[in-house]
Amino acid sequence: DAGVIQSPRHEVTEMGQEVTLRCKPISGHNSLFWYRQTMMRGLELLIYFNNNVPIDDSGMPEDRFSAKMPNASFSTLKIQPSEPRDSAVYFCASSGTGGWNEQFFGPGTRLTVL
Amino acid sequence: AQKITQTQPGMFVQEKEAVTLDCTYDTSDQSYGLFWYKQPSSGEMIFLIYQGSYDEQNATEGRYSLNFQKARKSANLVISASQLGDSAMYFCAMRGDQFYFGTGTSLTVIP
Repeated sequence: DAGVIQSPRHEVTEMGQEVTLRCKPISGHNSLFWYRQTMMRGLELLIYFNNNVPIDDSGMPEDRFSAKMPNASFSTLKIQPSEPRDSAVYFCASSGTGGWNEQFFGPGTRLTVL
Repeated sequence: AQKITQTQPGMFVQEKEAVTLDCTYDTSDQSYGLFWYKQPSSGEMIFLIYQGSYDEQNATEGRYSLNFQKARKSANLVISASQLGDSAMYFCAMRGDQFYFGTGTSLTVIP
């Protein structure tokens, strides 16, 4: 079974550009999470979907960030316009238990905004 | 105000020994969740264990157990029979009104 798939694994972009991070959860899982990790801020939960519906987006830093889950097998996290302080590792995780338990993480996307 | 406190920046344990990683939390919510994650030096994130505030029994997952003491607002992670592969950063987190992470504890298992 494939785990959580994230693409790209690495992204380098220039300030002001639009960035789209992609996540494919484990088949059959109905909860999806986006996390961010930086040296300055540590780990943060950005948004949580259940059955494709955003349940908690209180961690989304500002309007430049948006996340969508158009279907059960795909989610995107978009940053527009990107800024250097958005440089981080972005993790996607999915859970099949309909909640917070047993989350499986993807390998992460390392984003660098110059 | 810091919602999750991990007071041990670094810990050492002998292989095959048990180790407790401390985590205290601050919330006035009645319903909340507590989590532990592991991050090896490779950078991957691994979910370890979850405890709901209404769960009467301590959560266990294999060699991991969460020592949940509600009155003391502590959610310590206990790793039994440490293995070299347990060397990693460990993060405690809480889901309350928002989601809060601790700053992590670096665990080194000594052969």
